[in-house]
Parts: sequence; C-alpha cells; structure tokens
Amino acid sequence: NAGVTQTPKFQVLKTGQSMTLQCAQDMNHNSMYWYRQDPGMGLRLIYYSASEGTTDKGEVPNGYNVSRLNKREFSLRLESAAPSQTSVYFCASSDLRYMNTGELFFGEGSRLTVL
Amino acid sequence: GNSVTQMEGPVTLSEEAFLTINCTYTATGYPSLFWYVQYPGEGLQLLLKATKADDKGSNKGFEATYRKETTSFHLEKGSVQVSDSAVYFCALEETSGSRLTFGEGTQLTVNP
Repeated sequence: NAGVTQTPKFQVLKTGQSMTLQCAQDMNHNSMYWYRQDPGMGLRLIYYSASEGTTDKGEVPNGYNVSRLNKREFSLRLESAAPSQTSVYFCASSDLRYMNTGELFFGEGSRLTVL
Repeated sequence: GNSVTQMEGPVTLSEEAFLTINCTYTATGYPSLFWYVQYPGEGLQLLLKATKADDKGSNKGFEATYRKETTSFHLEKGSVQVSDSAVYFCALEETSGSRLTFGEGTQLTVNP
C-alpha cells in the first residue's frame, strides 16, 4: 500500500548544483502536485499537473521545472539551486473523480538543504 | 486572490483540555473548506471537510463548521490526547478546480 512515494528523503546541495526530486503514485490518480513547506508559511504550490501531458505553474514556480513523465510519475527539477530553495518538498496526488472534495494524498516529504 | 489565515501558534495544552484552532478565509465564490493534519515525520492527511455553508465536518473527535457569515472554519475538539500532537492546516479549494490553498499551519503539543 505505497500511495505516494518521494525520493530522495534528504539531500544537501551546494549553491548552483542541480537535482531532481522524484515522485510516483500507485493510485491511478490523474492530478499531481508539488508543494514546498516553510516555517510560518504553510504549504505553497510550486507546480501541478491536472492530467498526464499537462503542467501548470502554481504560486511559487520560479527556479523550478517539472516533468509529468507518465500518469504515475511527476518530477521536480532544480536547475541551479539557491539557499532560498532550502525547504521541505511534498508531492501529492488526487483523482479527478474527487474534484471539489479536496482530498490530496501526500508523500512523506523530501528535506532539501542548499548551502 | 484566495487566502487562509490561521491563529498563531504554537499551542500547548494538557491532556483532556478543550482545543480551538481558529481559521478564517478570503475567497471568491463558494469554496470548500478542509482541515489537514501532519504528524511528525509524515505527509499531510485529510482530517475533515465541509463543502457548503453551515456544513459541519467531523472526524476522530474533531469538528469544524463552515460559517459563511464570518468566513471561518474553526477546528475544535472537546478533549485532546497526547496522540493529537501534530501540525494542523486549514485549507480551501477554489470552486473552479482541485487546487488547494493552505494556511500557515498551527503546531499543537499535548502534554500528559
């Protein structure tokens, strides 16, 4: 019963390095999301994919790119990491059948530190 | 745009105390409202929801009522337990789709 799986769980980068956060869900959900969580600011949406083949910017997309590789997988890439991107990143998914019920299913998070 | 404001934390209570975490929102139209909970080291999970005015969501002893006149969705529990220690997030869903806007979260610690 995996649900939403994120890798890696922890990562330390130097400023300017690049990396990709991977996310996969096994619930056959159409929609997938990337959020970042910062103290005192809650969760902020970075990018989302309403369905396979589509991606859209959220509230804080600058410095990130995403790829919806297939229905299961949605990756988040930092091309040139900056200290301001130090955060905990959460991937989530939802089923379009449950649109307007608000139930997102979250992964356990990936803690990224940029030095 | 849409926004959600939660009471400032952290909140520390003794076991069996009454809990209220305030949440107010700003939105156009008629959003759905939610409370999510994040236990230590885990992702968020849905706690309860209400999709229209005057609806009451409830789960695990927690309750919240959708008050359109005061644009509020306060979370309450009559008797908290140590296992309720977590971060609680209020959220709203735009009426046009499935995107959620979250509040800043409230850390709750319950001491035995």
